[in-house]
Formats: sequence, structure tokens, C-alpha cells
Amino acid sequence: DAGITQSPRHKVTETGTPVTLRCHQTENHRYMYWYRQDPGHGLRLIHYSYGVKDTDKGEVSDGYSVSRSKTEDFLLTLESATSSQTSVYFCAISEGQKNQPQHFGDGTRLSIL
Amino acid sequence: AQKVTQAQTEISVVEKEDVTLDCVYETRDTTYYLFWYKQPPSGELVFLIRRNSFDEQNEISGRYSWNFQKSTSSFNFTITASQVVDSAVYFCALSERNGANNLFFGTGTRLTVIP
Repeated sequence: DAGITQSPRHKVTETGTPVTLRCHQTENHRYMYWYRQDPGHGLRLIHYSYGVKDTDKGEVSDGYSVSRSKTEDFLLTLESATSSQTSVYFCAISEGQKNQPQHFGDGTRLSIL
Repeated sequence: AQKVTQAQTEISVVEKEDVTLDCVYETRDTTYYLFWYKQPPSGELVFLIRRNSFDEQNEISGRYSWNFQKSTSSFNFTITASQVVDSAVYFCALSERNGANNLFFGTGTRLTVIP
């Protein structure tokens, strides 16, 4: 299994609170990604990183920010959580060349009440 | 714009039957990559296969086989002699060479294999 750890695995919080999800990898891979999974939508990209301090937006980036200060860590922050951000969040990593397979963490189930 | 369509939302088969999961894609890029992932009931996503747009050879891995046809923009996945452990949601995904290296996923097909 790819060395990817997501924390927390489950979180329940209230609307308007800030939330940070962490993705930690031990593979030294260049690319890291955050996706959300919702019924009827498959997985959709939120943000991704192509190196330390190098990030870019994905398809559904509104309301989310990310940071990557070290190769191994990629943080996803919901500055002020809304109920529409209730979802399962997956982190993924891939090697340095483009279009390599992405390997996923086990997911974080986030509920915003 | 890129798009992946998995028209079959749910499929049920009896154990040992063969089943084919359909995937149709759209892209303007001439170089692209197609993937299949499995999501078992435990929730993790498992990588199954990657094919590039220049390689149309069918691939077989044990009971799994993939049929890539550029003429119909399809990348179908067949499970032969299905087993209960094959019960999962299967996702087809697309990545473009000129894109941002992210995956565009279909909405998935839930396969239930009945013992």
C-alpha cells in the first residue's frame, strides 16, 4: 500500500467553523491532490500540488484553501465550513512524471451540521 | 472539455457470471490516459489499470480484461466469472497530457455480485 495517511478519519463540526484536513505521505512523491466524493458526482478535484509551495485550483476549489510547506504534507482548509462541504475527502499522490497513476488515502468523512 | 460517462449506475449479477462495465470518454487532447479504480465497501480506492491513448491493445489480468476502442471513445472493463469479492463501485477516469495531471472521474458503477 502507498504510504498515505489522512487525518482525521472522521469529523463532525458546525457550520462556520474552520476545519483542516491533513494528508501525509512517506513516498516522497511530487504530486499531491485533494478530491471530494459525493453521490452522483464521482470524485472531483479540489486543489493539487506539484511541489513544495506550488499549488493550483481544481474543479471545485471555492471555499477551500491548501498549503504544502513540506514534501510529505498537504493540508486542506475549509475557512468557514458550510453544510454543502459535507463529503468524503480523499488525498492522492503520484510520482514526478505526469499522468502516472494516483494512489489514494483511506479518506476523511466530514459532516458539517 | 473532458468528460467521462459511466451510464450504468448499478449492476447486479449472480456469482460466476461475466459482467462488463462501460466507460465512454470525451477529450480534445490527442494524448491522454485512461484509468480504472475499484472502491470496495470498505471505502478505499484501489488502482486497477492505466492505458495511454496510443496503446489500443486489449489487456488481461487474471479475471479482469479491458477493451480500449478509440473509434468509439470507450474503455470497457470486463470481469469474467465474477466473485462476491468483486462487489464494489468501479470508477473510470481520464487524464490529459496537456492538462493539470488531475483525474476526471466518471460517476461510478456499483457492482453487486450475488452468491
